Amino acid sequence: EIVLTQSPGTLSLSPGERATLSCRASQSVTSAYLGWYQQKPGQAPRLLIFATSSRATGIPDRFSGSGSGTDFTLTISRLEPEDSAVYYCQQYGSSMYTFGQGTKLEIK
Amino acid sequence: QVQLQESGPGLVKPSGTLSLTCAVSGGSISSSDWWSWVRQPPGKGLEWIGEIYPSGSVNYNPSLKSRVTISVDKSKNQFSLRLSSVTAADTAVYYCARFHTGRFDYWGQGTLVTVSS
Repeated sequence: EIVLTQSPGTLSLSPGERATLSCRASQSVTSAYLGWYQQKPGQAPRLLIFATSSRATGIPDRFSGSGSGTDFTLTISRLEPEDSAVYYCQQYGSSMYTFGQGTKLEIK
Repeated sequence: QVQLQESGPGLVKPSGTLSLTCAVSGGSISSSDWWSWVRQPPGKGLEWIGEIYPSGSVNYNPSLKSRVTISVDKSKNQFSLRLSSVTAADTAVYYCARFHTGRFDYWGQGTLVTVSS
């Protein structure tokens, strides 16, 4: 099983700043199967990024993904108050899916 | 626009069996996609439970495999989850989701299942 470790656990930033969220895998992940999800309280997760760097439909270009192998990053530029949420990375491999433990992003 | 809706009892007794159904609308469950169950204990992260393909092929999380059964009913455009021998640790919000071309693109709203006597 591939373990995904996200850092930091919590991130507190101001509107207009840039957020950098990290996702590190215990072994190499297929880039086509690395995604990022946003979850707000009481809501289902929402797909943001798939295949490491492709934005899902309707996701603003403030959100971008990058990385390869075992290190992946979600970057949110020009933070807005509605970006406050928990962000999860997720991978698929060997008929198994795993999620990171999440990064909570707080907008001051 | 594909929509998924979970349904089932919100309360299950310890040692009992949790049963949920996910109804798919706006699309066919017979499409070339995998259909998954994911759960989230209160205040915690996401855990994948298992998935099914329209043909009936399944994959399960090894940590739950001995207790999980996922089935599909193509005539009703839905798929189901059964989790046996439940304990309080199985209390969670249960989501169904579609895995399409490498990503979970559609999710149900989730349903809270509490295990308690």
